[in-house]
Amino acid sequence: NAGVTQTPKFQVLKTGQSMTLQCAQDMNHEYMSWYRQDPGMGLRLIHYSVGAGITDQGEVPNGYNVSRSTTEDFPLRLLSAAPSQTSVYFCASSYRGTDYEQYFGPGTRLTVT
Amino acid sequence: GDSVTQMEGPVTLSEEAFLTINCTYTATGYPSLFWYVQYPGEGLQLLLKATKADDKGSNKGFEATYRKETTSFHLEKGSVQVSDSAVYFCALSGDAGGTSYGKLTFGQGTILTVHP
Repeated sequence: NAGVTQTPKFQVLKTGQSMTLQCAQDMNHEYMSWYRQDPGMGLRLIHYSVGAGITDQGEVPNGYNVSRSTTEDFPLRLLSAAPSQTSVYFCASSYRGTDYEQYFGPGTRLTVT
Repeated sequence: GDSVTQMEGPVTLSEEAFLTINCTYTATGYPSLFWYVQYPGEGLQLLLKATKADDKGSNKGFEATYRKETTSFHLEKGSVQVSDSAVYFCALSGDAGGTSYGKLTFGQGTILTVHP
């Protein structure tokens, strides 16, 4: 199993540009989540999904959209990038059978100039 | 809502020293508790977990005990190594009666540096 994969690994955007961060998992997990990691603030939940076709907002959803058309994929869209979205983004998946311990992808480091 | 508070860092120790990183939480019901570790330039890995009161999670010489009476899950290691230098995150996942069911709420992270 590849686990949780994320692309790209690094990205630089200009203010106002849009882009999609890709996330995929091959473990058939029902839960998938997106977090952002900022210095001194731990990880904060952006959006999450409890299954295909079902998504909900986390703690910091503004400026981001998600959709979940398949169990495997959970892309995160930045609609109009802002410098405040400079961060490291992690995708994670989990399922009930392991007490929802989360399996993390390697992360995407995004810089918005 | 649910929350996790970790001791302020960073923590700097000499090799073979004893490590404690404090973690306390606020949650409804009976959450599951986790410690994750992030090595430089990498994603997060599960270090250990505990799913009910008085459970002890352990891995790679690290231990943490789920104390419901003090709402704590402190991480300990008897003798740290240089290779333990990393960022450590305490986290909880709420039970079915809580708002964070299936999601993780993280503490702010503690940077550990171990010198030879």
